[in-house]
Amino acid sequence: EAQVTQNPRYLITVTGKKLTVTCSQNMNHEYMSWYRQDPGLGLRQIYYSMNVEVTDKGDVPEGYKVSRKEKRNFPLILESPSPNQTSLYFCASSLAGELREQFFGPGTRLTVL
Amino acid sequence: SQKIEQNSEALNIQEGKTATLTCNYTNYSPAYLQWYRQDPGRGPVFLLLIRENEKEKRKERLKVTFDTTLKQSLFHITASQPADSATYLCALEDDKIIFGKGTRLHILP
Repeated sequence: EAQVTQNPRYLITVTGKKLTVTCSQNMNHEYMSWYRQDPGLGLRQIYYSMNVEVTDKGDVPEGYKVSRKEKRNFPLILESPSPNQTSLYFCASSLAGELREQFFGPGTRLTVL
Repeated sequence: SQKIEQNSEALNIQEGKTATLTCNYTNYSPAYLQWYRQDPGRGPVFLLLIRENEKEKRKERLKVTFDTTLKQSLFHITASQPADSATYLCALEDDKIIFGKGTRLHILP
């Protein structure tokens, strides 16, 4: 089944404790992206990747890192999480090119205390 | 930079009627616009894409229009059903991908 998976689905952590949210897709998509969704602010793009070893900043990249060492995986790293990073995070993937129908993962609800 | 406005935060429509949702953008016309559906606690699901040179696109009970003069896309659901209740998001690409905040649609039985 074609899908985007994220782990963990739920995470409660404390300020400053490094964490990684994994994202994997099995559709051989070149393009992958991370979003955060907050009430009243909608979906905002954090980082995206056009292909292996190619990443770029979205609208709200501060406090996040990503890497794209393999085509299928695009982990999101929070080196020193802070409470303002409490949010619902979505990973998405699509084929490259102009017509980017994105496939979204199920989401990761992160709480930073 | 480009901004998207989805005019209604929430919309209540009687079952069987046509629901019409609006998406306005501020700057130049994007090459295409996308519409997604999102259910509570789940990731968005792609519905339709319309290019700037297309006036209208249909898929089953869904219809999308794109008016570059008005800088607007309209999303219609005909013969609406309670199962159509969800949040609908429009999105465009402006160097980065930008989503509107969404319209929560409630179809009342």
